[in-house]
Amino acid sequence: QVQLRESGPGLVRPSETLSLNCTVSGTSISSYYWFWIRQPPGKGLEWIGYTFHTGSSSYNPSLKSRVTISMDTSKNQISLKVTSVTTADTAVYYCAREENLAFDTWGQGTLVTVSS
Amino acid sequence: DIQMTQSPSSLSASVGDRVTITCRASETISSKLNWYQQKPGKAPKLLIYAASSLQSGVPSRFSGSGSGTVFTLTISSLEPEDFATYFCQQSHSTLYTFGQGTRLEIK
Repeated sequence: QVQLRESGPGLVRPSETLSLNCTVSGTSISSYYWFWIRQPPGKGLEWIGYTFHTGSSSYNPSLKSRVTISMDTSKNQISLKVTSVTTADTAVYYCAREENLAFDTWGQGTLVTVSS
Repeated sequence: DIQMTQSPSSLSASVGDRVTITCRASETISSKLNWYQQKPGKAPKLLIYAASSLQSGVPSRFSGSGSGTVFTLTISSLEPEDFATYFCQQSHSTLYTFGQGTRLEIK
């Protein structure tokens, strides 16, 4: 059974860097595209970006200059960094696996609050 | 960006009702349209992929149809556990946009 689990600080100060990890079990991260998606409280879903084991990645243009997604195959982890955060980055952050051009497996999500 | 618009934004229905949710794309996306169900405090769950393919383990009362720019999700007979928010999402463009969601409430 494939499982994803996000981890990281729940509180980040404005202008600092948000860093999250997604630990994958039940499958190798070398076999799929892996995404980060976020959802501000009470709002809809926003695609942040994705990465593949070849090193290719793509980011939402609205966030591109501040986002980095990377993989550590030795730990079977995907990481997300968002720099220069503001209160608008407060959201539940999900990692998800893509299969058949759909997000078939999701982590439980982790709430990150940006506040001083 | 491809914009995805769902209608209605909210819907009240009763157990046993048949309900349909519509998703419209701002440009043609072939059949690259997925549907998700989300319950409060939980991650979204994939129901339908490629417009009409039922994800493994999803009850057959859920069905999807459409191609091009107009798509529908139908629940043939509502069960109590179906009251949730539903999102569509396109995967035609690499900027994987979602609809704003349809909240399905108990009447």
